[in-house]
Amino acid sequence: QPVLTQSPSASASLGASVKVTCTLSSGHSTYAIAWHQQQPEKGPRYLMTLYSDGSHSRGDGLPDRFSGSSSGAERYLTISSLQSEDEADYYCQTWDTGIRVFGGGTKLTVL
Amino acid sequence: EVQLVESGGGLIQPGGSLRLSCAGSGFIVSRNYMSWVRQAPGKGLEWVSLLYNDGTTYYADSVKGRFTISRDNSENTLYLQMNSLRPEDTAVYYCARDVSGSAIDYWGQGTLVTVSS
Repeated sequence: QPVLTQSPSASASLGASVKVTCTLSSGHSTYAIAWHQQQPEKGPRYLMTLYSDGSHSRGDGLPDRFSGSSSGAERYLTISSLQSEDEADYYCQTWDTGIRVFGGGTKLTVL
Repeated sequence: EVQLVESGGGLIQPGGSLRLSCAGSGFIVSRNYMSWVRQAPGKGLEWVSLLYNDGTTYYADSVKGRFTISRDNSENTLYLQMNSLRPEDTAVYYCARDVSGSAIDYWGQGTLVTVSS
């Protein structure tokens, strides 16, 4: 089954851009993933589905500041023009028959 | 508008049972793949169980044999029956909907289950 690896933390300044990375395990580099955001003390929110060719489908009402890209087994979430409300945990998620898999999450701090 | 509303959480002693409910609105639960996902205090998201639209069920190894996922089509509601509860089952439990068997695209607000004596 696939395994997703994320860096535990990331930080960037207000108004800047940040790229969050999710790495698929060996043998699973063509898998699509989803990105989810979890703001403090809230439930998760679906952001987008990101495919191996870099194409992505966005969740309802997602600002254009959020975008996704792919390179090999890496899946990226880029947030531009960072705002204070972007400070949150970001999880990648993938799937296979009969299973759903989450990365460990990246805690984003907006400085 | 798609909405998922969980209920049924609470404080339960080790070895006890609890049933969680997730009421869906704005879509038909039985036509979608539905999951339960949990989050222990201060930890990340952990997938627990999955129910396909054809009724096939799947479970994480950590809950297999103790938890049962089901749905009531007439109530448009998803359930998670949890038996033989352990302290390590303490978590916020979320129900979630899949996009046609792929990404989760909607989440509930969660219900807290605390297993403690």
